[in-house]
Amino acid sequence: AQTVTQSQPEMSVQEAETVTLSCTYDTSENNYYLFWYKQPPSRQMILVIRQEAYKQQNATENRFSVNFQKAAKSFSLKISDSQLGDTAMYFCAFGYGQNFVFGPGTRLSVLP
Amino acid sequence: KAGVTQTPRYLIKTRGQQVTLSCSPISGHRSVSWYQQTPGQGLQFLFEYFSETQRNKGNFPGRFSGRQFSNSRSEMNVSTLELGDSALYLCASSIGQATWGEAFFGQGTRLTVV
Repeated sequence: AQTVTQSQPEMSVQEAETVTLSCTYDTSENNYYLFWYKQPPSRQMILVIRQEAYKQQNATENRFSVNFQKAAKSFSLKISDSQLGDTAMYFCAFGYGQNFVFGPGTRLSVLP
Repeated sequence: KAGVTQTPRYLIKTRGQQVTLSCSPISGHRSVSWYQQTPGQGLQFLFEYFSETQRNKGNFPGRFSGRQFSNSRSEMNVSTLELGDSALYLCASSIGQATWGEAFFGQGTRLTVV
């Protein structure tokens, strides 16, 4: 069974600084997808970034980028120039076939 | 383009009752997945429907059921409610399979069982 681990329950960062959220996963599959979702206090889950496992190039989306290490089964999220609006729960998720497994989440607070 | 709509947003039910939650996916999306979110268990997959067929089911008791209509709208039903069913229920829609596409989430239905 696939599992997703986020070892940092809570993190904080000063506005305009950079923060990295960690995620590791366990799978025996070779082709899969990895996602970072953001859940602000409004509760709506919003896709931040997606990575296909067969692509070696790390995905980027504006201020958000990932460090995907397939051999190490690691998928960290880097947020540059943090903004107050980035305050939210961040969930790492693994997808294969019809399985979609979420990690426990990291609560990120951006401090003014 | 309208997003994923979940109704109702809030619900209070008594133990032993049943409840039906509704999810209208984004137009053109054929896959609808349901998740239960609790502080203790996090986000747990309930089931996924695609073209009116349940394609995958999580590890939940048979009290949890769902269906999808021809217009892709989906309903989730929980019978004989227990206190532990109190949770935020999230619905996500995607064009194809949720895991290789991009899943768009609704704002959820907050269910409280008293």
